[in-house]
Amino acid sequence: KAGVTQTPRYLIKTRGQQVTLSCSPISGHRSVSWYQQTPGQGLQFLFEYFSETQRNKGNFPGRFSGRQFSNSRSEMNVSTLELGDSALYLCASSLNTGENTIYFGEGSWLTVV
Amino acid sequence: QKEVEQDPGPLSVPEGAIVSLNCTYSNSAFQYFMWYRQYSRKGPELLMYTYSSGNKEDGRFTAQVDKSSKYISLFIRDSQPSDSATYLCAMSLTGGGNKLTFGTGTQLKVEL
Repeated sequence: KAGVTQTPRYLIKTRGQQVTLSCSPISGHRSVSWYQQTPGQGLQFLFEYFSETQRNKGNFPGRFSGRQFSNSRSEMNVSTLELGDSALYLCASSLNTGENTIYFGEGSWLTVV
Repeated sequence: QKEVEQDPGPLSVPEGAIVSLNCTYSNSAFQYFMWYRQYSRKGPELLMYTYSSGNKEDGRFTAQVDKSSKYISLFIRDSQPSDSATYLCAMSLTGGGNKLTFGTGTQLKVEL
């Protein structure tokens, strides 16, 4: 059974640009969550989508947004990139929301220069 | 002060040692407790999941939760060099969906 797949794995963007990251959950999983991981702040929750609806949102500015498609695949977008947005962005999936046992992908490494 | 505190280490132990990893937390409403292992440049991997207080054992791993002290532990018996990784504790609320609050992680190195 394939795991959570994230693309792209590595990318470099310039300040002010925007970026879109993609996540394909484990087959059959309907909940997708996004997390940001940085050396200083650790892993922080961005948002969760379930059945194409945002269920939860973390304490991030509106520049961070996401969506989920009918096949449960998800994308997150960061607009007007700042240097501080450089991080590992992790997607995680679970069968349903509230499962708590979530399974992470390998992440997308974003560097903003 | 962070909601979940975890000693960052690094923690270095000889092969075969018993390792104890710990987290403390401030929010008494947390009900679900997890431990993840993360190898360098990889995503976190779920190791243990516990609901409320008590112990849970899985092979060489034992997770303990003491809600009265707001303290959780992960014990690794007969540690192996392949256990060298960063260990992250995580916890969540009832009704919180899949919003997990993580500790910053403890870096473990098991030496031959």
